[in-house]
Amino acid sequence: EVQLVQSGAEVKKPGESLKISCKGSGYSFTSYWIGWVRQMPGKGLEWMGIIYPGDSDTRYSPSFQGQVTISADKSISTAYLQWSSLKASDTAMYYCARRSRGGLLDYWGQGTLVTVSS
Amino acid sequence: DIVMTQTPLSLSVTPGQPASISCKSSQSLLHSDGKTYLYWYLQKPGQSPQLLIYEVSSRFSGVPDRFSGSGSGTDFTLKISRVEAEDVGVYYCMQGIHLPHTFGQGTKLEIK
Repeated sequence: EVQLVQSGAEVKKPGESLKISCKGSGYSFTSYWIGWVRQMPGKGLEWMGIIYPGDSDTRYSPSFQGQVTISADKSISTAYLQWSSLKASDTAMYYCARRSRGGLLDYWGQGTLVTVSS
Repeated sequence: DIVMTQTPLSLSVTPGQPASISCKSSQSLLHSDGKTYLYWYLQKPGQSPQLLIYEVSSRFSGVPDRFSGSGSGTDFTLKISRVEAEDVGVYYCMQGIHLPHTFGQGTKLEIK
């Protein structure tokens, strides 16, 4: 069974750093891209970027380029999304998902809620 | 970026009645490999999005056959033949042909 399990909710202050995780199981982690999707409170889904754990090839949406860093550790089947300096506007639910052929996001994690508040 | 435009943005449907959601893309989603990379997702209240339809009209594993997708090029439709209470939530279309991939704004389905 394909599963993506994300790390727990985080509460941070503006300016702090953060790294959240997404652990895949039940499939070959290095053979599929992992995507990250943002959902701000009460809003829709925004595609942030993807990483191929096999070689760490990464692509970002221009809207998120330079704002976040996507990485992966294939030895532990885990992808990451990180911020070096959080802003209040980063408050959102973040989902990881397995990306299959044609950009399809077929299996999703349960989401990680990030709250940034002073 | 490809812009995905959904209509309507909200829908209130009596159980047992049909529902239809339109999704239009600003560019063709037909790939040179002959496939069209248009997907439909449902996000039920308090849950992660779940895949309903891939490549315009193929139902994902476990998706009831009351859900169907159609369309081509830039115009696509999701239909629910007979709405049930468990179908409430927000429906999103998404294109997977060009990076960055993009979602529609979402259509909220409520039960009357």
